[in-house]
Amino acid sequence: AQTVTQSQPEMSVQEAETVTLSCTYDTSESDYYLFWYKQPPSRQMILVIRQEAYKQQNATENRFSVNFQKAAKSFSLKISDSQLGDAAMYFCAYRNWAGNQFYFGTGTSLTVIP
Amino acid sequence: GAVVSQHPSRVICKSGTSVKIECRSLDFQATTMFWYRQFPKQSLMLMATSNEGSKATYEQGVEKDKFLINHASLTLSTLTVTSAHPEDSSFYICSARDRGENTGELFFGEGSRLTVL
Repeated sequence: AQTVTQSQPEMSVQEAETVTLSCTYDTSESDYYLFWYKQPPSRQMILVIRQEAYKQQNATENRFSVNFQKAAKSFSLKISDSQLGDAAMYFCAYRNWAGNQFYFGTGTSLTVIP
Repeated sequence: GAVVSQHPSRVICKSGTSVKIECRSLDFQATTMFWYRQFPKQSLMLMATSNEGSKATYEQGVEKDKFLINHASLTLSTLTVTSAHPEDSSFYICSARDRGENTGELFFGEGSRLTVL
């Protein structure tokens, strides 16, 4: 199984500030997908952002952006202008190219301080 | 976006009984579905990957005879917890991959909370 590691079990950020969540992964493949999912208290998984490994350009979605370092196997998430609604568990995830493997990291609990 | 419906959302059963959880893709065909288990404040642990019309692939350490997975159609996968025990109490989440799209994304059900008394 592939491994996905999030080294920050908990993070906090002041409202309107910027925070970066870290993720590293291990794979022997050259093509794959990476994701960040958000899980609020409702437990429903919500896609935040995706990155195809063959794309060099970092993905962005409004206030969310990633820093994808393929050689280092690093995939961090930056949340700008943090809002109270951003408070949740964030999971980094890896999907292989074939689509039959999808693994999640250990998760980071994000608290947004008003 | 694509919708995955999971049922039941909550189930309480007695030890020794079996429980079935359904996962349906409502507006797309899912050739592959994934079943996860999540303990409180922990990550999603992949249990098995099911492919329509074939046997599920189980992750190491997951008892295939205890957690029966059936993916009989392109829109339905079921997880049956057989002879449930209190240690099987957990949050189970299914997800599905849309065979008609290439974003790689998984679509998730709402999850099922199983409590075994």
